[in-house]
Amino acid sequence: KQEVTQIPAALSVPEGENLVLNCSFTDSAIYNLQWFRQDPGKGLTSLLLIQSSQREQTSGRLNASLDKSSGRSTLYIAASQPGDSATYLCAVAGKSTFGDGTTLTVKP
Amino acid sequence: EAEVAQSPRYKITEKSQAVAFWCDPISGHATLYWYRQILGQGPELLVQFQDESVVDDSQLPKDRFSAERLKGVDSTLKIQPAELGDSAMYLCASSLATGAGEAFFGQGTRLTVV
Repeated sequence: KQEVTQIPAALSVPEGENLVLNCSFTDSAIYNLQWFRQDPGKGLTSLLLIQSSQREQTSGRLNASLDKSSGRSTLYIAASQPGDSATYLCAVAGKSTFGDGTTLTVKP
Repeated sequence: EAEVAQSPRYKITEKSQAVAFWCDPISGHATLYWYRQILGQGPELLVQFQDESVVDDSQLPKDRFSAERLKGVDSTLKIQPAELGDSAMYLCASSLATGAGEAFFGQGTRLTVV
């Protein structure tokens, strides 16, 4: 059974700092890995999708990497802003499985 | 911009009553997912459709939950009877194809069972 773990559960940083969120999974037989953002009480917004054959994807200040062999993905956020405050979730596809997310607070 | 539509946004129901949620995926998306999300946790897959066929409902509590996607477009998730423990956010998502495509989510339905 696929298990997805996200560490840390919560993170607080000052504005402007670069940061890394971690996602690990137990079964490397995945189709892809997707990172989402969720604001309180809202649905999920897709940030980046990495296909199983890819190593990384970039969108603006976001960069996501994937290492299937070690069962790990990271989401790098550059020059964080207060508007980045949200819960970040990773999900693996094969059988769709989510981690419990990292709640990020960026302080002005 | 195409979106996944869900209704209602909020629902309060009494224990033992029936409740239904509706989802309209992005046009052309063959795969539709229903998830349940408890506060503080990640979404849990309840059921996955490919067109009108169920491809995974292993986590769906079939004694009280049912889901259908009759024409392979919109979908309905039903709970009967509702229990206090069903209080959660119910999320619908769609993608072009199972596994390979980017998944897009609706705004969800917040269910409170009293």
